[in-house]
Amino acid sequence: DTGVSQNPRHKITKRGQNVTFRCDPISEHNRLYWYRQTLGQGPEFLTYFQNEAQLEKSRLLSDRFSAERPKGSFSTLEIQRTEQGDSAMYLCASSLEMLAGGLAKNIQYFGAGTRLSVL
Amino acid sequence: SQQGEEDPQALSIQEGENATMNCSYKTSINNLQWYRQNSGRGLVHLILIRSNEREKHSGRLRVTLDTSKKSSSLLITASRAADTASYFCATDRGGGTSYGKLTFGQGTILTVHP
Repeated sequence: DTGVSQNPRHKITKRGQNVTFRCDPISEHNRLYWYRQTLGQGPEFLTYFQNEAQLEKSRLLSDRFSAERPKGSFSTLEIQRTEQGDSAMYLCASSLEMLAGGLAKNIQYFGAGTRLSVL
Repeated sequence: SQQGEEDPQALSIQEGENATMNCSYKTSINNLQWYRQNSGRGLVHLILIRSNEREKHSGRLRVTLDTSKKSSSLLITASRAADTASYFCATDRGGGTSYGKLTFGQGTILTVHP
């Protein structure tokens, strides 16, 4: 399977604990995105990377959230001191952007997500 | 925050009927995309329409875009039970580092009864 892979699929944690999620994008994709989705809502943008550079972060991403993409391949999203309000589905997506000419489309391919429950 | 709203929030139809979903957004855009999400799963890209396009077709899907009204519609013709899912519109504003950042609507839950 060469799609976007996210691990773990489910995570249950106690309030105050730290959690880390991993995303493996499609191998040739240079962009990687993190979104958060709560029940009955559409995904909300958190942050994205172009190769290893983190280009934009949403104000939703408090100081307790940090994301990395150290070698421009997989990415991790860490939440420190989790709160019950952090309970959500965390989605990762990747895309291939044509940086030199061409007609960029930004079609994003999503993983199945990591569902976080904070007790 | 969500870019806009989708309407209706839920739609229930019989197999073979057409389904139309609408999306409104607030800001100027580079393109608008539609995604499908099956229960508890990731999203799947369906179709993209650029800001200078008015209509696009892909199989049983037809998308229209009216930038003057900041609205789009997705039509699924001859629906099937397998089309049951949530459908989201997403806008890409473009411009600098914001290009590629998608802003999603709240979605329409489509149920197709066999």
